[in-house]
Amino acid sequence: DSGVTQTPKHLITATGQRVTLRCSPRSGDLSVYWYQQSLDQGLQFLIQYYNGEERAKGNILERFSAQQFPDLHSELNLSSLELGDSALYFCASSVANEQFFGPGTRLTVL
Amino acid sequence: GIQVEQSPPDLILQEGANSTLRCNFSDSVNNLQWFHQNPWGQLINLFYIPSGTKQNGRLSATTVATERYSLLYISSSQTTDSGVYFCAVRKPRGTNAGKSTFGDGTTLTVKP
Repeated sequence: DSGVTQTPKHLITATGQRVTLRCSPRSGDLSVYWYQQSLDQGLQFLIQYYNGEERAKGNILERFSAQQFPDLHSELNLSSLELGDSALYFCASSVANEQFFGPGTRLTVL
Repeated sequence: GIQVEQSPPDLILQEGANSTLRCNFSDSVNNLQWFHQNPWGQLINLFYIPSGTKQNGRLSATTVATERYSLLYISSSQTTDSGVYFCAVRKPRGTNAGKSTFGDGTTLTVKP
């Protein structure tokens, strides 16, 4: 157990819908990272927050957004969902350089 | 952006065999991690190793940052070692210094 929690574990929804994925980092970790893992794209970095501020951005679609709250938990919002958004979404946290990953949320868009 | 290449893409071993997995990267990095993704999808930290050598039980890793590669050694492999092994790197400075780039992974299958 890495200490990073993610909810929900599984999510099944329809095209065009909007979902919110939640992540709680390890105690004391200020940085939160979001990743998408799909069969054709591999593990892709989406975005990083540090103590509430956006710190780095990857290939995150405009339909996706994220934020980190004062209690340091983070949410990833995915809207206007498409079939291709089906993937495993990971959250990771770090206090220095080493990232620790949560168990992931498996999103299925039908 | 930085390119990360892992080899071999697939590896099949008999239980008890040793193996070496390689990660090459195209630019200077100050952060390199090895992960094991088990069959249930969980990403497990193996090593944080931007340079030098570390050992943890049957696993060890070496990163030669000046030559832009890292090696993961697995000795006396067990069936529970099966899964995908990923290397991930980050650049030291500049825009998006927090962005990690993952390789495509090495899929290891250990047969009893």
